[in-house]
Amino acid sequence: GGIITQTPKFLIGQEGQKLTLKCQQNFNHDTMYWYRQDSGKGLRLIYYSITENDLQKGDLSEGYDASREKKSSFSLTVTSAQKNEMAVFLCATSGWGGFEQYFGPGTRLTVL
Amino acid sequence: GDSVTQTEGLVTVTEGLPVMLNCTYQTAYSDVAFFWYVQYLNEAPKLLLRSSTDNKRTEHQGFHATLHKSSSSFHLQKSSVQLSDSALYYCALNTGANTGKLTFGHGTILRVHP
Repeated sequence: GGIITQTPKFLIGQEGQKLTLKCQQNFNHDTMYWYRQDSGKGLRLIYYSITENDLQKGDLSEGYDASREKKSSFSLTVTSAQKNEMAVFLCATSGWGGFEQYFGPGTRLTVL
Repeated sequence: GDSVTQTEGLVTVTEGLPVMLNCTYQTAYSDVAFFWYVQYLNEAPKLLLRSSTDNKRTEHQGFHATLHKSSSSFHLQKSSVQLSDSALYYCALNTGANTGKLTFGHGTILRVHP
């Protein structure tokens, strides 16, 4: 087994502010994902990374940057926070073959 | 692109009765795999069921689902729901890429009442 840690658990920022969310995993999984969870809209993929230093855009990448400097960590940056993107951001990982994704506990973003 | 459609919104069921949560999909790929994830209140989503074999029933924790490629469906069923089954359920599609990238539906909330 393994653990996925997301920090912070709650993130409060001002409109227009640049904000960074972090994810750490000890599964030793190759692929990591960032999803945004909005009520009634499901899980939408923002970015994913299949190995260290790789980045792939998902369906919702506009307004976000990502960074995968180490296999075990994956960061997401909101480049300019907007009130309409208050949501829960979930990090996930999967091993080679990728059939099962393991999710972290999430970061809840509030924009004032 | 790929898409997954689930039963909309909230499904309310009386404890002990059966339930079916619908999931249909559209994809141009024939090599597909399907997943049901469950998310309990204040917890992370976790895998409930998965299948990539056409017409084969898959079961876990009393839930079952059968992938039917002929009707593009992977409905989730349980014959007798419990209060503890109340949660948010997501259906998801993988189209064979080794990255494991999934396309999720919008989710269905199942509320079981006494």
